[in-house]
Amino acid sequence: AQKVTQAQTEISVVEKEDVTLDCVYETRDTTYYLFWYKQPPSGELVFLIRRNSFDEQNEISGRYSWNFQKSTSSFNFTITASQVVDSAVYFCALSGANYGGATNKLIFGTGTLLAVQP
Amino acid sequence: DGGITQSPKYLFRKEGQNVTLSCEQNLNHDAMYWYRQDPGQGLRLIYYSQIVNDFQKGDIAEGYSVSREKKESFPLTVTSAQKNPTAFYLCASSIEGAPNQPQHFGDGTRLSIL
Repeated sequence: AQKVTQAQTEISVVEKEDVTLDCVYETRDTTYYLFWYKQPPSGELVFLIRRNSFDEQNEISGRYSWNFQKSTSSFNFTITASQVVDSAVYFCALSGANYGGATNKLIFGTGTLLAVQP
Repeated sequence: DGGITQSPKYLFRKEGQNVTLSCEQNLNHDAMYWYRQDPGQGLRLIYYSQIVNDFQKGDIAEGYSVSREKKESFPLTVTSAQKNPTAFYLCASSIEGAPNQPQHFGDGTRLSIL
């Protein structure tokens, strides 16, 4: 079975602090994909990043960075120097390699609400 | 601009009534999806469609129905059989129904019971 756990329900930080959002996943697939999405108050989910299971390189995009560790089944997301505009719910999601007629089924975690105070 | 349009933004349902949520995309994506979001929970898949005139049940399809007559459109009907329809509904699409394709989302419809 596939499962995504985001143990942090809510995090509150003050602007300019660094913050890490945790994501732990379970899957039996040898090939799988991990995603992070941002859901601002407007409701739309915004795609942030996709990571393949065979690529463990960390990635940095501006103030955002992602740490993928297969050994601990984790895909954590760090925001450096947080800003008020980063306030949102962040979802980690997992999909397996059931290609060819099955589904691009995304398994979502329950999300982490990040509140950045000015 | 290309994107996914969901309407209405807010919808109210009376007891015993069917209501239809609209989802239109102009991204030329083959695959489309409907999710339900409840407070404190992640998104759960209701239905998905990998191609026109084809759709499959997701994890919580009971009480819902869909159609996919056009590539751009994937309406969701919440029937009277869905006893707890109050939720936030999100439509998504992807280039194809492959697990490595990111899904792009609309800004949702909030459904409430009158």
